[in-house]
Amino acid sequence: EAQVTQNPRYLITVTGKKLTVTCSQNMNHEYMSWYRQDPGLGLRQIYYSMNVEVTDKGDVPEGYKVSRKEKRNFPLILESPSPNQTSLYFCASSSGLAGGRQYFGPGTRLTVT
Amino acid sequence: GENVEQHPSTLSVQEGDSAVIKCTYSDSASNYFPWYKQELGKGPQLIIDIRSNVGEKKDQRIAVTLNKTAKHFSLHITETQPEDSAVYFCAALNNAGNMLTFGGGTRLMVKP
Repeated sequence: EAQVTQNPRYLITVTGKKLTVTCSQNMNHEYMSWYRQDPGLGLRQIYYSMNVEVTDKGDVPEGYKVSRKEKRNFPLILESPSPNQTSLYFCASSSGLAGGRQYFGPGTRLTVT
Repeated sequence: GENVEQHPSTLSVQEGDSAVIKCTYSDSASNYFPWYKQELGKGPQLIIDIRSNVGEKKDQRIAVTLNKTAKHFSLHITETQPEDSAVYFCAALNNAGNMLTFGGGTRLMVKP
């Protein structure tokens, strides 16, 4: 089954404690992306990757890091989480550029206290 | 960068009625406009999209219209059903083709 998986689905952590949210896709997609969803603000892009070892900033990259060492995986790293990073996070992938259908993961709800 | 505005933020309709959600975008070079549906507890799913070389596209009860001159596009759902209840997002692809900008979302409630 074609899918994007994220782990963990729920996470409560404290300010400053480094964390990683994993994302994996089994569709051999070149393009992967991370979004955060906040009420009234829709989905805002954090980082995206056009292919292995190629990453770029989206609209809200501050406080986040990503890596793309393998085609299937695109982890999101918060080196020093802060309460304003409390949000719902989605990973997505698509074939080719973003103009193709994007497949979204189930989401990760992060709370930073 | 691109800015996408979406209205209304909430929409309540009676089952069987039509629903219309409107979006405007700022970058005249944008050329791809998808619509995503997000059900409770799930990630968004593409339901329909339109490219700038067409003005309208239909898929059963769903249609999207695009007015490039006015820089706005709309989602039309006819004969709404309770299972249409969800949050809907519009989006616009930038000219470079590497970033989607989403609207703020519309919560659609279809009352039986």
